Amino acid sequence: AQSVTQLGSHVSVSEGALVLLRCNYSSSVPPYLFWYVQYPNQGLQLLLKYTTGATLVKGINGFEAEFKKSETSFHLTKPSAHMSDAAEYFCAVRDAYGGSQGNLIFGKGTKLSVKP
Amino acid sequence: DAGVIQSPRHEVTEMGQEVTLRCKPISGHNSLFWYRQTMMRGLELLIYFNNNVPIDDSGMPEDRFSAKMPNASFSTLKIQPSEPRDSAVYFCASSFDRASYNEQFFGPGTRLTVL
Repeated sequence: AQSVTQLGSHVSVSEGALVLLRCNYSSSVPPYLFWYVQYPNQGLQLLLKYTTGATLVKGINGFEAEFKKSETSFHLTKPSAHMSDAAEYFCAVRDAYGGSQGNLIFGKGTKLSVKP
Repeated sequence: DAGVIQSPRHEVTEMGQEVTLRCKPISGHNSLFWYRQTMMRGLELLIYFNNNVPIDDSGMPEDRFSAKMPNASFSTLKIQPSEPRDSAVYFCASSFDRASYNEQFFGPGTRLTVL
């Protein structure tokens, strides 16, 4: 079955520090992987996605993620955190069974806090 | 382009009342999703439509919840009767599954409070 595990429900970094949000997935088919961001009182927005091709994917706002098949991971990184990055981040993998191919399986989310 | 539109943005009602949430997906999208988000349970998929047909409603909590998609540009999620434990933010999302690799576009959500 498809599943997503996000390690750490809360991550706190200092402004200017490296951001690393961890995501591991389980998939019985070649995975399509996504990172979404949710700012307070808003819906989810797509940050980046991996479907095929280059394993290092660049997204909006300076974020990137690397697909590592051997580690079944898709960790999200940003070299230098900004106060505006404070939000909740969700990792997701496409569903693969029966009529649910259009669905995404979401992780439980990681709340990122950025300290001045 | 207009994104996914949800109405109302906020709803406050009393226990036992009927609540109807509305969603207009992005034009041309053929899949629509209803999610519920709470602090305790996180983001939960309630129901998923493809080409206006319900595909997976296993996430609908109980018979008090129902969803319809009468046409490609409109969907409703109804709760009757509502209970305080239904208080949550309800999101609608849409996608075009043949071209977008399942990328979903989310609406701004409806914050429901049941007193």
